[in-house]
Order: sequence, then C-alpha cells, then structure tokens
Amino acid sequence: NAGVMQNPRHLVRRRGQEARLRCSPMKGHSHVYWYRQLPEEGLKFMVYLQKENIIDESGMPKERFSAEFPKEGPSILRIQQVVRGDSAAYFCASSPRDSYGYTFGSGTRLTVV
Amino acid sequence: DAKTTQPPSMDCAEGRAANLPCNHSTISGNEYVYWYRQIHSQGPQYIIHGLKNNETNEMASLIITEDRKSSTLILPHATLRDTAVYYCIALETSGSRLTFGEGTQLTVNP
Repeated sequence: NAGVMQNPRHLVRRRGQEARLRCSPMKGHSHVYWYRQLPEEGLKFMVYLQKENIIDESGMPKERFSAEFPKEGPSILRIQQVVRGDSAAYFCASSPRDSYGYTFGSGTRLTVV
Repeated sequence: DAKTTQPPSMDCAEGRAANLPCNHSTISGNEYVYWYRQIHSQGPQYIIHGLKNNETNEMASLIITEDRKSSTLILPHATLRDTAVYYCIALETSGSRLTFGEGTQLTVNP
C-alpha cells in the first residue's frame, strides 16, 4: 500500500516560470491538504481539497497560487510566475475523511533561481 | 482548535526515556490530542493520538491528564533516529485541519 506520493522531489525553476507540484493520495483517501515550509520555519497550511472541490483555501496566497484535485489523477499545486520567496518545501497530506489520520508525503523542494 | 504550548527544545540520552510535555489548557471536549514529528526535512510523521485515555502503540505512549489540560508523549527508549521536531496538536474530528505550532526540538545524544 503505497503512501502519499509527491513528485517531483526536487524542482528548480527560474524566476517567472511556472511550477507544478503533484500529489497522489493514499489509496482510499479522498481528502488532500497542502502545506508549505519556508527555510528554517514551521509548516503552514495552504489549502484543503476533496475531489473536484476546494474546501478551505484560507492559507493560500491571493495571487499566483492555485490548487486542484480532479476526479481522476493527482492533486496539483500550481505556482505561476515564481519568485525567489516561493523557494520552500511543499508537503501534501491525505486522509480518508475530514480531519482524520493524516499521512504526509516526502515533499517537493522548490528552488527558484 | 485549542492552542498548545511546548518547550522549544529538549535533550535526552540515547536509551533513556524521552518525556515531551504539552499544555492544552483550553482544549474542548471533542478535541483529540495528536502528536506528529518531523525528522530533518522529511514529511511529518504521525506518532499517536488520544482523547481521554492513555494510549500506547509501537512508537510511543501518550499520557493525558484527567482534566485534559496537558499531556506527555513518552518515547520509552530513545534512539539517535528519534532526533526530530515533535508537534502536539489539538484537533477536532471534523471541520478542522492540522495546525502546526513551533514544536519541541528533541535531540537524542549518544
């Protein structure tokens, strides 16, 4: 039973490019959460999604960031026109139902150069 | 969700028990106490959770006071691999999501 799969593990983008981070939840999990961890800082909630629905995006920056969890396929966190301040580790977690038994992936390390 | 308070850092000798405290004096009756840890740069790892009763699994024990205002995570025989930041989180069973505080940096020394 594979865990939460995130890819790529490492992503390098030049300023102004787009970054797409993918998260495949555990089998049977229909809830996905994205977190960001800036260097030397704590984990900050970004967005909570269920299939085809954004439930809570209170932690998402207002511009350039978007997330989706389509009916088929992984959840995608998209960052447009990346800036150096977007460099961080982005973690995805999944759960079988609301607020229960989160399992985290290994994260994607985004570096903006 | 109730706010939790943890010491910023602790040290423990390898092979000894590590006791990590957490205060959650404003916890409500339907909030569970969850513990996660993050080993350097890895994804957070679930350890244990409980509501009222003490809990034990293969990783740790969780002792919750009778008034539920505080709890202690116990790693019975700490190893160097247990060096990590440990997070105590109070979480309702629905309508909430994990909110990480500063946690406790546990360093296990040889």
